[in-house]
Amino acid sequence: ETGVTQSPTHLIKTRGQQVTLRCSSQSGHNTVSWYQQALGQGPQFIFQYYREEENGRGNFPPRFSGLQFPNYSSELNVNALELDDSALYLCASSNRDYQETQYFGPGTRLLVL
Amino acid sequence: AQSVTQPDIHITVSEGASLELRCNYSYGATPYLFWYVQSPGQGLQLLLKYFSGDTLVQGIKGFEAEFKRSQSSFNLRKPSVHWSDAAEYFCAVGGGGGGADGLTFGKGTHLIIQP
Repeated sequence: ETGVTQSPTHLIKTRGQQVTLRCSSQSGHNTVSWYQQALGQGPQFIFQYYREEENGRGNFPPRFSGLQFPNYSSELNVNALELDDSALYLCASSNRDYQETQYFGPGTRLLVL
Repeated sequence: AQSVTQPDIHITVSEGASLELRCNYSYGATPYLFWYVQSPGQGLQLLLKYFSGDTLVQGIKGFEAEFKRSQSSFNLRKPSVHWSDAAEYFCAVGGGGGGADGLTFGKGTHLIIQP
């Protein structure tokens, strides 16, 4: 069974640029959730995609957007990057139909200069 | 709104000693509770979860946690810690499958193991 994978592992961008992060969900899972973890903090929920539709959203502005594809993999897009967007971005996959646990990927470390 | 409080930012324990990490939560419905562990620069690994039933749950690596509804607590315990247990520990609350509101995490407890 393949676990949750994310790419890239690290990324450096400058303020104002746009970035796309990718996540492949675990086999059998239909739900992907994205989290932002700032240094020294717990992860914060950005949004969740269930069967290709945004299903819930945390307190993040619209410049954070996403997609989920028919194979349930997902992208997180961030426009107009700000310095405070520097963080570890985690995706987690689960199967909402069975209320299953979320399993996390290794994360993408984003640095905005 | 749901919330999680982990009152201890850092805990230092001697190798072989027992461990208890505290977690208090606020959640409007029946909570799904989780403990995750994170090693430096890594993602989150699930230690254990509580959905319903027996309030004492067993997890991986010899960890256990007890759900106490009256105290809104879900404390993590281990009878004897190993140096490899040094890591950041996060308690989280949410709905099944994460729920539409996702998981809400505490700020974490950094566990240091003394030789």
